[in-house]
Amino acid sequence: SQQGEEDPQALSIQEGENATMNCSYKTSINNLQWYRQNSGRGLVHLILIRSNEREKHSGRLRVTLDTSKKSSSLLITASRAADTASYFCATVWMDSSYKLIFGSGTRLLVRP
Amino acid sequence: GAVVSQHPSRVICKSGTSVKIECRSLDFQATTMFWYRQFPKQSLMLMATSNEGSKATYEQGVEKDKFLINHASLTLSTLTVTSAHPEDSSFYICSFLSGGGLNTEAFFGQGTRLTVV
Repeated sequence: SQQGEEDPQALSIQEGENATMNCSYKTSINNLQWYRQNSGRGLVHLILIRSNEREKHSGRLRVTLDTSKKSSSLLITASRAADTASYFCATVWMDSSYKLIFGSGTRLLVRP
Repeated sequence: GAVVSQHPSRVICKSGTSVKIECRSLDFQATTMFWYRQFPKQSLMLMATSNEGSKATYEQGVEKDKFLINHASLTLSTLTVTSAHPEDSSFYICSFLSGGGLNTEAFFGQGTRLTVV
């Protein structure tokens, strides 16, 4: 079965506000990655956080990882209309070989 | 970051025909790669995992005789949708893994939108 869940499924905020998305997963992982996808387009890699890391920053993005709770969060600060997209977490873990499994995604709408 | 080339980006085919999608890593070699399918407003669902030189491992519910995967080399994988039907219309994306351990990172193709009429 596929790996994880994200919440909220959809999020609508005003430009300038912060957006927080959460991701939960099921297995032990090597790392967790966050991606962005504009409607009908490919994936854009945002940030990778290793299983031995707890927090990571990249520009307006802040990612946390809690391996005890098997969860991660993505915070986008000072959101812009251009941030409107779907956001997915994906976990890398080992079964008989590597697996890369996506969460269900959060659709973010930033209103100008 | 690494570059993965996937083509075609868009294809329309008639019901009953086969379609081949190619995925190529341009600047690195990968032993593991994945094929995903994405329906509108849904997440990416893993279809199969492919290791170079061995047969692909398919996820539950994915027909291996319908979705033929050939991972011929460390830089090239193909997905062939055989006897396509309208319900196979979807967005297909490939991914190669690079690195290892905690630093394992995935690189994605641009995706192929398949429409079966």
